Amino acid sequence: RKEVEQDPGPFNVPEGATVAFNCTYSNSASQSFFWYRQDCRKEPKLLMSVYSSGNEDGRFTAQLNRASQYISLLIRDSKLSDSATYLCVVNTPTGGFKTIFGAGTRLFVKA
Amino acid sequence: GAVVSQHPSRVICKSGTSVKIECRSLDFQATTMFWYRQFPKKSLMLMATSNEGSKATYEQGVEKDKFLINHASLTLSTLTVTSAHPEDSSFYICSAQSGTSGSGFASYNEQFFGPGTRLTVL
Repeated sequence: RKEVEQDPGPFNVPEGATVAFNCTYSNSASQSFFWYRQDCRKEPKLLMSVYSSGNEDGRFTAQLNRASQYISLLIRDSKLSDSATYLCVVNTPTGGFKTIFGAGTRLFVKA
Repeated sequence: GAVVSQHPSRVICKSGTSVKIECRSLDFQATTMFWYRQFPKKSLMLMATSNEGSKATYEQGVEKDKFLINHASLTLSTLTVTSAHPEDSSFYICSAQSGTSGSGFASYNEQFFGPGTRLTVL
C-alpha cells in the first residue's frame, strides 16, 4: 500500500461545479497534512494546511479524518483557473519527519 | 511567503557530463533543504534531505555518489548530477524549510519550493 494515495483523475468539471478530492495515508502517526497545487511544468505551491478541526479558505475547504486516515479538499464554484494538479502531502515520522507527496489529482475546469 | 530560487531553470547537456544545480533561499535561513525529482505525470519523489553543515541523507535507491549534495550555508544547497545519462533527464525541484528535519518542529513548517530545473541529457 502506498504511504499516500490519491485518485489520479482526471476530474473534468464545468465552471461553477463543486468538486471533492480525497487522499488516504497509511501511517496513523502522521502529524501534519497539506494540500499543494501544482500547475503544469511548475513547482508545487501550498494551497492550505489541513487541521483536525477542518479549515476553509474562500472556495476551498479541507477536512481531516484521523480515524479513517484520510484528508479531503472541496472546491466550490470552480473557476477555469482552478485547473491544476492537487497534491496531498503528509508529514510522517519515518526516520525523523519525512514529507511524502501523493501522486496528485488532476483537475480540468471547462467553460 | 518565502522565496526560493533555483539555477539554472533549464539545462541540456551531453551524456557523461556533470551538471550542478543551485538552490537558494533568498529571504530566510534554511537549515533544511530537500531535493526532489519529478518525472512527467508522476509525483514528486524525494531524493535527499540536507541539513546545513552536515552530510545529506539520501532516500533508498538514490545513489549518493551520482547525486552529490552540498549544503554549505544556510541559504545555499547544490545538487550535482555526475556523469549524467539520458535516464537522468527529469524535473529537479528543491525546497527549503526553516527548522531542522527530525526535530519535530520542522514537521509543521511549510516547505517553500524553488521553480525547478528541467534537465535534458542527450
